[in-house]
Amino acid sequence: IVMTQSPATLSVSPGESATLFCRASESVRSRVAWYQQKPGQPPRLLIYDATSRATDIPARFSGSGSGTEFTLTISGLQSDDLAVYYCHQYNEWPRAFGHGTKVEIK
Amino acid sequence: EVQLVESGGGLVQPGGSLRLSCGGSGFIFSSYSMNWVRQPPGKGLEWVASISSSGSHIQYADSLEGRFTISRDNAEKAVYLEVNNLRDEDTALYYCARDLGGLRGWIDPWGQGTQVIVSS
Repeated sequence: IVMTQSPATLSVSPGESATLFCRASESVRSRVAWYQQKPGQPPRLLIYDATSRATDIPARFSGSGSGTEFTLTISGLQSDDLAVYYCHQYNEWPRAFGHGTKVEIK
Repeated sequence: EVQLVESGGGLVQPGGSLRLSCGGSGFIFSSYSMNWVRQPPGKGLEWVASISSSGSHIQYADSLEGRFTISRDNAEKAVYLEVNNLRDEDTALYYCARDLGGLRGWIDPWGQGTQVIVSS
């Protein structure tokens, strides 16, 4: 299964919303997670099972979708959200990551 | 606090071998599947291997062509990745990460990683 993320780079002003997309080459049901990776840090889990927020993740991060189309929305973007965001399917072996969307702050 | 600490990386010549280690603390290690995920410099994440909580079920990325072996020692609360016949393209930061939701679930947390550099 191939996970395709778009756009590759997203430039958003503080306070605005950012919408990141992830498409699976075949259905992965709702078995998708989203991770945030800040420069020089390991990835951090944001969303699992497509829509469930991980522990201590603010409500402004939300996930949606099922099947082959998934979305991560960051509401009220903050400068601290500068990072690369990866989607990940764990419905089938081999598990697969998307190539990432880099979120830049305008 | 759940912690994963990797070690064992380094500079190795093409064709060489390394044994990466990852120690877990702050959780019942023997109850969780574990993973290795790597990230080449400036690139994205690539899943490498997973091992079930008992060690009885193992999966590898096809691209590794049998050169890597994952194992674990629950008494030592450690998971290992033996990497053989290393190639330039194996240069990466290797992360150890815990599986949630059973084998083949979402991944959380991740260690800080151990760097492997393959170069002559």
